Amino acid sequence: DVKVTQSSRYLVKRTGEKVFLECVQDMDHENMFWYRQDPGLGLRLIYFSYDVKMKEKGDIPEGYSVSREKKERFSLILESASTNQTSMYLCASGPSGGGNQPQHFGDGTRLSIL
Amino acid sequence: KNEVEQSPQNLTAQEGEFITINCSYSVGISALHWLQQHPGGGIVSLFMLSSGKKKHGRLIATINIQEKHSSLHITASHPRDSAVYICAVTGNQFYFGTGTSLTVIP
Repeated sequence: DVKVTQSSRYLVKRTGEKVFLECVQDMDHENMFWYRQDPGLGLRLIYFSYDVKMKEKGDIPEGYSVSREKKERFSLILESASTNQTSMYLCASGPSGGGNQPQHFGDGTRLSIL
Repeated sequence: KNEVEQSPQNLTAQEGEFITINCSYSVGISALHWLQQHPGGGIVSLFMLSSGKKKHGRLIATINIQEKHSSLHITASHPRDSAVYICAVTGNQFYFGTGTSLTVIP
């Protein structure tokens, strides 16, 4: 069965810390995505990657960076965490073929920045 | 400006009722997706469709490309259907609606 695994379900960090969120997929998918989800705003794309070492900015990349050194792993990095980055973060993966393929989501990481 | 609009935002139904959730979009699309998110966060894909109608168990999804509109129907609703239902469309990128929160009361 398809599996996207996010390293933490809940995470609490302090303002100014560097935060790493990890995502691993076991489906050999080319595409991987990081979203944040906030009440009333839905899912917003932060970054995506369509191949190893490739990355593209989404709608809200400011304050974030990503790393994809291996095909199965896509990391989201908060360089210096701020309280407005408190949110639910969702990772997804999908095969090449863009919108004609469904995305598979992880269970999400609820991140609180104090 | 939201490329995808869902209605209603919140919906409460009695067990057994027929439920409809609507989605309208304003961009050209290659496919429309209905997603389900249970409390706790995980999202699963229910349907992907580009025309017509699809059925899976008690769930039915329809799309009208000319009117840029889709509906998700749940027949004989059950408390375990309580979740947030999200409409998403794909053109040159994914666009997501803000979701419809459904609560089915026993």
